Amino acid sequence: DTGVSQDPRHKITKRGQNVTFRCDPISEHNRLYWYRQTLGQGPEFLTYFQNEAQLEKSRLLSDRFSAERPKGSFSTLEIQRTEQGDSAMYLCASSYTGTENSPLHFGNGTRLTVT
Amino acid sequence: AQKITQTQPGMFVQEKEAVTLDCTYDTSDQSYGLFWYKQPSSGEMIFLIYQGSYDEQNATEGRYSLNFQKARKSANLVISASQLGDSAMYFCAMREVYNTDKLIFGTGTRLQVFP
Repeated sequence: DTGVSQDPRHKITKRGQNVTFRCDPISEHNRLYWYRQTLGQGPEFLTYFQNEAQLEKSRLLSDRFSAERPKGSFSTLEIQRTEQGDSAMYLCASSYTGTENSPLHFGNGTRLTVT
Repeated sequence: AQKITQTQPGMFVQEKEAVTLDCTYDTSDQSYGLFWYKQPSSGEMIFLIYQGSYDEQNATEGRYSLNFQKARKSANLVISASQLGDSAMYFCAMREVYNTDKLIFGTGTRLQVFP
């Protein structure tokens, strides 16, 4: 069990640029989640997948955000035309198919800074 | 709608003492799960303990126990024999089994353990 891996750990970009983050879940986990965390707040749900299917997307997620999990393994989160308000930690997590007692296992996150 | 409330922004405890971190939740579902996570300054989210809504006994994991009072909709985390390494942010989270599979997090409590 190598844990959930996220890349990059840090990303600094200029406003208006596009960025893409990658997440590799724990290999036997079929559910993958993306969360965003700003300073002093708890993680905020963005979207999640079961295998390659995107099952839910937060209403808070603007059209500039898109996530994919093409082969049901790794996932990417892309933010287009970044804004300063997008600066946050982006957390990926994975779990077994969601029975109520399946904890989410989180990666170390990607910290995005938009200048 | 789901809601998790953590009313203690910060708590202090002396090493080797016990501390209780409060969490209340709001749901109309009968089946749900409650989770506690620890987030050290390094940023990773570490799963600590789980309590199911139908569990009759309070969950325990080593020095962590969950004081589950269903009628009051509270799920307080008790850390016994605090250690300096327990200093971190602690988040309470809930999953409604049949409504959605995502975890909803509270705003967290910062625990500081002093010698």
